Amino acid sequence: GAGVSQSPSNKVTEKGKDVELRCDPISGHTALYWYRQSLGQGLEFLIYFQGNSAPDKSGLPSDRFSAERTGGSVSTLTIQRTQQEDSAVYLCASSLVVTGPSLLAKNIQYFGAGTRLSVL
Amino acid sequence: AQKITQTQPGMFVQEKEAVTLDCTYDTSDQSYGLFWYKQPSSGEMIFLIYQGSYDEQNATEGRYSLNFQKARKSANLVISASQLGDSAMYFCAMREGQYNFNKFYFGSGTKLNVKP
Repeated sequence: GAGVSQSPSNKVTEKGKDVELRCDPISGHTALYWYRQSLGQGLEFLIYFQGNSAPDKSGLPSDRFSAERTGGSVSTLTIQRTQQEDSAVYLCASSLVVTGPSLLAKNIQYFGAGTRLSVL
Repeated sequence: AQKITQTQPGMFVQEKEAVTLDCTYDTSDQSYGLFWYKQPSSGEMIFLIYQGSYDEQNATEGRYSLNFQKARKSANLVISASQLGDSAMYFCAMREGQYNFNKFYFGSGTKLNVKP
């Protein structure tokens, strides 16, 4: 598809279960981001992947959260032993990192529609 | 300190009128980029407009323009001729540094309601 695709769009799980959220970025985009958005709030950065570089995991809130990106494309965010406070919308974005002649490359992030996670 | 501050949690505007959504930012970097996104009730974040710190002209994209005042560190979004479909959350964001592609900061958003 043309845009960032996330699945599932909605996920309801029981406390203590593990969940996997998937993100399929725009083809050719080298950078991929995961964010968390709690109800009525702004975006909280979770993790950033860029090419083959080591990911920036500085935003992951606990060791229950992990993410991987296979083959530089699809990414999976895994939350183990889910807690009620994990309930939120998880947004994925991708961008084409461009370092060209312009003084400041745009590197616009394009977002998916998100996965709404509800932990009961 | 907050990197991005949006002081208007909610705003109303009459259809066909112009509206300004405020955004101030905090950085000591000379190189940065400023973005505005729209998030309708469907949840998807839609990119609207971009301003680079070295751009001398204010960015414009159709009915959207960015009022960039570097000395005041403000990047207000102006929507001209508001439409009902403009009702949404609007987020201001900053990418800090020339090559820090992981350093994006988002504000808390402004909810815009366009009245018929």
